Parts: sequence; structure tokens; C-alpha cells
Amino acid sequence: DGGITQSPKYLFRKEGQNVTLSCEQNLNHDAMYWYRQDPGQGLRLIYYSQIVNDFQKGDIAEGYSVSREKKESFPLTVTSAQKNPTAFYLCASSLPGGGGQPQHFGDGTRLSIL
Amino acid sequence: GQQLNQSPQSMFIQEGEDVSMNCTSSSIFNTWLWYKQDPGEGPVLLIALYKAGELTSNGRLTAQFGITRKDSFLNISASIPSDVGIYFCAGPPQGGSEKLVFGKGTKLTVNP
Repeated sequence: DGGITQSPKYLFRKEGQNVTLSCEQNLNHDAMYWYRQDPGQGLRLIYYSQIVNDFQKGDIAEGYSVSREKKESFPLTVTSAQKNPTAFYLCASSLPGGGGQPQHFGDGTRLSIL
Repeated sequence: GQQLNQSPQSMFIQEGEDVSMNCTSSSIFNTWLWYKQDPGEGPVLLIALYKAGELTSNGRLTAQFGITRKDSFLNISASIPSDVGIYFCAGPPQGGSEKLVFGKGTKLTVNP
């Protein structure tokens, strides 16, 4: 079945440590996105990529980094510079073509601080 | 930036009741998307609306694209326990951006 796979489901980070969240899709979508979700909040965009080897900062990119070396993969690194990383992280993908293309989501990674 | 305001923030209803929620913006949207998120999972697309005045159904769910293009409504008829979750509206900011703006969600609780 086509879909988006995020791993791991749960992740714990020590102080000063970088951690990488995986996102893989087999929907043949060009565009991919990373969101952060905090309790009672909507989804806030961290980074997005419309094509391989290209990505743009979203609204809350500070303390995060991404790469897009393959169409299928868009890993997110939470760096030690992100002082409040505890959140639910969601990856999404969509067809290209401008605004309005529905985004399809993975099941998320919950990141906590040890 | 553009914001989407969802109301109500939360709803507590009895099984079998109908539910109405809405999403408003101060600016025009050309597309409205409605998602549902179950606890601990990612949002799932319920309905997509692309034309002002459009009314679209998906089972017991019906959504409408407001005539002013600044609002959208989602109705759920004859609610059941599995309707529990958070319902989000979303749409692309003006300018044809690839990005979506999301509302903060309406949390629905259904009492059996």
C-alpha cells in the first residue's frame, strides 16, 4: 500500500544531542513537509521541499535541519540548538501544483527530553 | 500571516447527536481542506473543497465552502463513538503557495 512512514514512533533526546527523525513515502509525491504539533496548537510548518535537492524554511525552522537527497525521503534533524524540542512531529507529502493540493500525513514521531 | 479560526475549540456530545463546526479567515481561501486526527496518529483527509458554495459529503460528514470564500463548515450527522478526535481545517495562503495554513482544531468527545 502507498503511504508515508515515519520512524521511530517514540524518540528520546539527551541534552546537547542531535536526533534525526525519518520520513519515507512511496506515493511518488514531489513535495514533502515537516510540522511540529504542541498540545492545543495547530500544525506549525518547520521545513518543506518541493523537489529533490531543494528545501525552504517554514515558520519555525530555527534549531532544525533537513535534507532531500531522494524523492522518497525527507529526514528531519532536531539539533541541540532547539531548546524546547518536546513535541509531536508530523511528516506529510503532496503532489506538486501550487496551493490546495491535499497533504497526506504519516503517523508521527513523539520526541521527548530525557 | 494568514490565520484560520476554528470554533468551537471543543465539543462534548451524546452519541447520535449532530455536530457542526466552522472555520473562518479574514482573507479569501481558494481551497478548504478538512482533516481528522485520532490520538497519537497523523491527520487524515476527510473532505476537500475547491469552489465557493460547494457542498460535499463523505458518508455522515458534509462540508461546505462558504460563499464569501472566507469560511467553511463541517457537519457530522448521527455521531458515533469513533467520531472522537480533533478536526482541523486547512487551506493555502493567498499567492498560490505550496504551504497550508491549519486551524487549531476542534476537539470532539462523544459520550456513548
